Amino acid sequence: NAGVTQTPKFQVLKTGQSMTLQCAQDMNHNSMYWYRQDPGMGLRLIYYSASEGTTDKGEVPNGYNVSRLNKREFSLRLESAAPSQTSVYFCASRGTLNYEQYFGPGTRLTVT
Amino acid sequence: DQQVKQNSPSLSVQEGRISILNCDYTNSMFDYFLWYKKYPAEGPTFLISISSIKDKNEDGRFTVFLNKSAKHLSLHIVPSQPGDSAVYFCAASAGGTSYGKLTFGQGTILTVHP
Repeated sequence: NAGVTQTPKFQVLKTGQSMTLQCAQDMNHNSMYWYRQDPGMGLRLIYYSASEGTTDKGEVPNGYNVSRLNKREFSLRLESAAPSQTSVYFCASRGTLNYEQYFGPGTRLTVT
Repeated sequence: DQQVKQNSPSLSVQEGRISILNCDYTNSMFDYFLWYKKYPAEGPTFLISISSIKDKNEDGRFTVFLNKSAKHLSLHIVPSQPGDSAVYFCAASAGGTSYGKLTFGQGTILTVHP
């Protein structure tokens, strides 16, 4: 039972390049979330998926797109990376009965 | 507009003493509050939570207190241990149709000295 897994762990991109961050959970959770963490800013919600087949914007969605591929997988895409997207990205999932979210180990992304 | 604030960036405590981490919020719609702990290079892990219908919740060495009138919550760790050294985030949810979305504070770095 791996919980929430994220790939890759580290990535360096040049400005303008694109990439997709992958996230999968094996807890049969309905809801999944993408956050970014920046120094002094806490975690900020980028996009979320309340259930399979639905996605919606969070607090900081500009420059990102998401896909809820199936119940297990929720990917985050940067179409044209910018230095302002240098951050640590966390994926999380949540079951139906409570508010606790379970987080993956994160992806550290640097855009030069 | 920071709806959840942790005004102390860091806290240093001696082993065996009490650690008190504070959190303030501004959104009256928040009705569920959580504390997460984060070690370097790892994802946040859930620690303890409290519903707005309670004013206290305990789990072993960890107790969370909620003062709704002041829009303030605190996490008490007694006794503190060196392994508690981490970043602590408070988070809040508005329930209802919020789809479980969490709003996080900036975090407090706790250092427990042996």
